[in-house]
Amino acid sequence: RKEVEQDPGPFNVPEGATVAFNCTYSNSASQSFFWYRQDCRKEPKLLMSVYSSGNEDGRFTAQLNRASQYISLLIRDSKLSDSATYLCVVLGGGADGLTFGKGTHLIIQP
Amino acid sequence: DTGVSQNPRHKITKRGQNVTFRCDPISEHNRLYWYRQTLGQGPEFLTYFQNEAQLEKSRLLSDRFSAERPKGSFSTLEIQRTEQGDSAMYLCASSGAGGPGEQYFGPGTRLTVT
Repeated sequence: RKEVEQDPGPFNVPEGATVAFNCTYSNSASQSFFWYRQDCRKEPKLLMSVYSSGNEDGRFTAQLNRASQYISLLIRDSKLSDSATYLCVVLGGGADGLTFGKGTHLIIQP
Repeated sequence: DTGVSQNPRHKITKRGQNVTFRCDPISEHNRLYWYRQTLGQGPEFLTYFQNEAQLEKSRLLSDRFSAERPKGSFSTLEIQRTEQGDSAMYLCASSGAGGPGEQYFGPGTRLTVT
C-alpha cells in the first residue's frame, strides 16, 4: 500500500469555483502534514502546513483527521494561477525526509 | 539569488558511466535532503544530512549511490555505473529554522541515461 495516496486527477474546474482534494496516509505515527504545490517543470514549493484544528490561508483551507488518517485541501474562488499539481506530504513516523503523494493535477479553466 | 541551487541542470550520460551532482543549500540551513522524481510521481526521499552528518538513507539509495556534505555546506550526489532506471529528476532541498517540514527545493538536475 502506498504511504500517501491521492487522486491524480486531472480536476478540470471553472474559474471562480470551489475545489477540494483529499489524501490518505498509512503511517499512523506520522507527525506533521503539509500541502506542497508544483508547477509544470518546476520544483515543489510549500503551500501550507496542516494542523489538527484545521487552518486557513486566504482562499485555502486545510484539514486533518488523524483518526481517519485523512488530509484535505479546499480552494475557494479558484484562479487561473491555481493551476498546478498539489502534493500531499507527510513527515515523521520514523523518517526524516518528507513522504509525498503522487499529486493531484488541477486545471482551472477560464 | 539566495535560494537552493543545483548543478548541472541537465545531464545526459551513457549507461555504465558515473555522474555527480552538486547542491548548494540556503546558507543558513543546516538540513539538506536529496529526492528523486520521475514523471507522474511525487518526489521520493533518498537521503538527509544535518550539517555534515548523513542521518538517514532510503531503501531506494542502492550501493551505487553515495552522497556527501563534507563541510556542512554544499552536498554532492554520485551515481556509479548508471542504469537506464536512474533517469529521473534529482531534487535537493534544505530546511532551517522553519523545521523539517518547511523545505526549500532547488530546480533539480534532470538525468537521462541512454
